Amino acid sequence: QSALTQPASMSGSPGQSITISCTGTSSDVGSYNYVSWYQQHPGKAPKVMIYDVTNRPSGVSDRFSGSKSGNTASLTISGLQAEDEADYYCNSYTSIGTWVFGGGTKLTVL
Amino acid sequence: QVQVVESGGGVVQPGGSLRLSCAASGFTFNSYGMHWVRQAPGKGLEWVTFIRYDGTNENYADSVKGRFTISRDNSKNTLYLQMNSLRPEDTAVYYCAKDGGGLDLWGQGTLVTVSS
Repeated sequence: QSALTQPASMSGSPGQSITISCTGTSSDVGSYNYVSWYQQHPGKAPKVMIYDVTNRPSGVSDRFSGSKSGNTASLTISGLQAEDEADYYCNSYTSIGTWVFGGGTKLTVL
Repeated sequence: QVQVVESGGGVVQPGGSLRLSCAASGFTFNSYGMHWVRQAPGKGLEWVTFIRYDGTNENYADSVKGRFTISRDNSKNTLYLQMNSLRPEDTAVYYCAKDGGGLDLWGQGTLVTVSS
């Protein structure tokens, strides 16, 4: 049950687009369309931003989008805003019936 | 109001036990699977365990298997986590989360500290 691999940190300027990657294996990300993404601000509970690879919950800005290719999933944030500065985590279902999170990416808006 | 509220955290000595509760309201609790997720201080999220909507199947992370037990009482709209043989590395904020579109509803978390 190794954690999914995410970049530890990323940064971008307001208005720019960034893409956070999440690399797993053929036993998790590569085999199931049950990848989700979570945003967490300091001291707050996580919030789901994308589920089932590409689906956006009601109320989440359409600036957030998800995709997957092979064993790697991605979260793209377009038109970066100051409020997007947060930690982001990916999550996937696995072949042994468990779930696994990525190590998290700290996003800084310059 | 749609929410889940965790309780039961506290300070416990290594080797001790603790039971966490998660009270659900505002949604049909017995229609959804539920997770426990934890976050050690300054660290990332770690998935801990899941239970099906009807309590018929459970899954655990290797790090807690054999020590933690998840359960639910659908008549009380409550999820539980029984934690035994606690270790210092179990120190974390424990969140319960509803399995809808992803983990779509989280509580505020309850802090468990394992220390002598």
